[in-house]
Amino acid sequence: ETGVTQTPRHLVMGMTNKKSLKCEQHLGHNAMYWYKQSAKKPLELMFVYNFKEQTENNSVPSRFSPECPNSSHLFLHLHTLQPEDSALYLCASGGTGGEDTQYFGPGTRLTVL
Amino acid sequence: QKEVEQDPGPLSVPEGAIVSLNCTYSNSAFQYFMWYRQYSRKGPELLMYTYSSGNKEDGRFTAQVDKSSKYISLFIRDSQPSDSATYLCAMNRGSTLGRLYFGRGTQLTVWP
Repeated sequence: ETGVTQTPRHLVMGMTNKKSLKCEQHLGHNAMYWYKQSAKKPLELMFVYNFKEQTENNSVPSRFSPECPNSSHLFLHLHTLQPEDSALYLCASGGTGGEDTQYFGPGTRLTVL
Repeated sequence: QKEVEQDPGPLSVPEGAIVSLNCTYSNSAFQYFMWYRQYSRKGPELLMYTYSSGNKEDGRFTAQVDKSSKYISLFIRDSQPSDSATYLCAMNRGSTLGRLYFGRGTQLTVWP
C-alpha cells in the first residue's frame, strides 16, 4: 500500500458512541495532520504531530482526542460527538521543512446522528 | 480579513476552454504555493507546487505566483471533462512545520 490510507472510509455514529479513525502513511514523513472539511468551508486544521509529538491543537473540542503512537500512524478518537461534527475528516502527512508540502488520504466521511 | 481568499464558484466551461483559477492572500510571509485538486468524495491531490514568484508549467497546467500583488493563479489549457473537480489553493510561510493555509476551493465543471 502506498501514500496515505484512512479507515474507515465511511462512519455513521450516534452521539453517545465512541469510535476511532485510523490513518497510516507510507511516505516516510515526520509530520502528520488531521483536518476537518465541512461543506462550503475551507479545510480546518485540527492537530499537528511532528515525530509523534503534538505540536498544534487548533482549539479543537475535547470530544476529539488524537493519538500518534509513531511517525507512520495517527488516530482520532471520537466520543459524544454532535451532529455539527458531521464532515469529511482528512489525514495528511508531510515533511517538517517549510518547503515540504502535504499529501492527503482519501478521508473518512463521518455522519453523527 | 481571511489569510487566503478564493472564489468558490461554481465555474462552468465547455471542453477545450482555458480555465483561470485564482487566489489572493494577505500574509506577505507566504513563500510556498500549492494547488490541490479534489474530486467529489475524495481527498485533495497535489497538482502543482511553486516557490516564490514566477511561473511553473506541467502539461496542460500552469501555476503563476505574483508576490508583489499577493496573487496566485492556476491555468488549465484545453480543459477536459475529467478536470471537473474542486481546486484548492494552499500556501505556507516556510518556517512552521509546513502548516498550510487553504482557500475555500473553486468548484469547476467542464462540460463536453
